[in-house]
Amino acid sequence: NAGVTQTPKFRVLKTGQSMTLLCAQDMNHEYMYWYRQDPGMGLRLIHYSVGEGTTAKGEVPDGYNVSRLKKQNFLLGLESAAPSQTSVYFCASSYNRHGYTFGSGTRLTVV
Amino acid sequence: GQQLNQSPQSMFIQEGEDVSMNCTSSSIFNTWLWYKQDPGEGPVLLIALYKAGELTSNGRLTAQFGITRKDSFLNISASIPSDVGIYFCAGANTGNQFYFGTGTSLTVIP
Repeated sequence: NAGVTQTPKFRVLKTGQSMTLLCAQDMNHEYMYWYRQDPGMGLRLIHYSVGEGTTAKGEVPDGYNVSRLKKQNFLLGLESAAPSQTSVYFCASSYNRHGYTFGSGTRLTVV
Repeated sequence: GQQLNQSPQSMFIQEGEDVSMNCTSSSIFNTWLWYKQDPGEGPVLLIALYKAGELTSNGRLTAQFGITRKDSFLNISASIPSDVGIYFCAGANTGNQFYFGTGTSLTVIP
C-alpha cells in the first residue's frame, strides 16, 4: 500500500518552461489537494478536488492548473513557470474531513 | 484566507523536557488537526480533535480542542531526539478545506 505518491521528487525549470506534477493515491480517496510550502508560510492550498472530474481553486491558484480525470490521479500544471513558483509542493488525499494523507513532496526550483 | 498563528515559532529543549505549543485562529473551527513533518517528508497526522474541550492523547502527545473553538494546544511529554521536526496545526470549519499554521520547529538536544 503506497499511499500518496508524487512524481517527480525534484525538478529544476527555466523561467517560462511548463511542467506537470503527478499525484497518485491508492486509497480510493474522494478528495485530493495540492499545497505549496514556503519558509515561514506554512502550507497553502493551491487547488483541490472533491471527486473525479471536479476541481476547485484554493488560496493561491494563480499560475497553476489542475485536472482530475481519474479518481486516483490529481495533476498540477505550471504553464509558464516563474521564480515565485519555486517551492516544495505537496499532494494530499482524504476520505473525509478526518485528516489528510500527504505525499513526500516535489521540490521545484525555477531559475 | 484564514489566519492560524502558531507559537512558539521554534523551540530548543533538552531531552526529557516537556513541550507545549499552541495554535490560535481568527475564526471558529469544527475540527483541529496536529501534524508532524520530518525533514524531506510530507506531514504526518498525529492527532485529530472534533469537539470543543476534547482532550486526546497519542502516546506521549496530548492535544486539546479549545473551549472557544478558536485555539488548540499540543503537549509532548518527556521529549526524545526523534521528536525533532516541524509541528503544524490545521483547522477546518465547514467543507473539506483545512487551513494550516506556520509551524513550530522543535529541536531536542540530547
